[in-house]
Amino acid sequence: EDQVTQSPEALRLQEGESSSLNCSYTVSGLRGLFWYRQDPGKGPEFLFTLYSAGEEKEKERLKATLTKKESFLHITAPKPEDSATYLCAVQAVTSQGGSEKLVFGKGTKLTVNP
Amino acid sequence: DVKVTQSSRYLVKRTGEKVFLECVQDMDHENMFWYRQDPGLGLRLIYFSYDVKMKEKGDIPEGYSVSREKKERFSLILESASTNQTSMYLCASSPDTLGGYTFGSGTRLTVV
Repeated sequence: EDQVTQSPEALRLQEGESSSLNCSYTVSGLRGLFWYRQDPGKGPEFLFTLYSAGEEKEKERLKATLTKKESFLHITAPKPEDSATYLCAVQAVTSQGGSEKLVFGKGTKLTVNP
Repeated sequence: DVKVTQSSRYLVKRTGEKVFLECVQDMDHENMFWYRQDPGLGLRLIYFSYDVKMKEKGDIPEGYSVSREKKERFSLILESASTNQTSMYLCASSPDTLGGYTFGSGTRLTVV
């Protein structure tokens, strides 16, 4: 069974204090790993897709990386507006070469204090 | 930008009522999904649809049904609402089977 575990559950940072969020996964055949940001009371907002080990994607202060067992979301010099819950999800390849449904982790709640 | 619109942000319904949650997307996406999100349990897939009039069960379909009569609209139906269906309901769509979904803002449903 495909599984996604995110750590830590919650993270508090001071503004400018860089850190990383972890997403560990087990999947039979990875089609893609996805990062989302979710603000309180809103739906998740898509950030990145990573397809293979070694791949990296960047957007402003966020950088996502992927290995065969985990993904990291690095946050460089965070600002209070980066405060949100960050969700990781994996999607497996079916035996017919299609896509399985997404399996989500439970998220990391990030708080950045000014 | 793709927009997924859920008809209500907040709903309060009584136990036993039939509840309709509506979702409309404006970018001609093939695929639509209904999730519920609960603290400590994360996002769980209720139903999804890859085409008009097609539907498939997700991980927790019990107590729910769906309707997709038009490509842009995907409705979630609670046949007889119960208190354990109190939750945040999220609709999503995507143009293909890859997981870069666009989510709506959610409907927070309270069943009393």
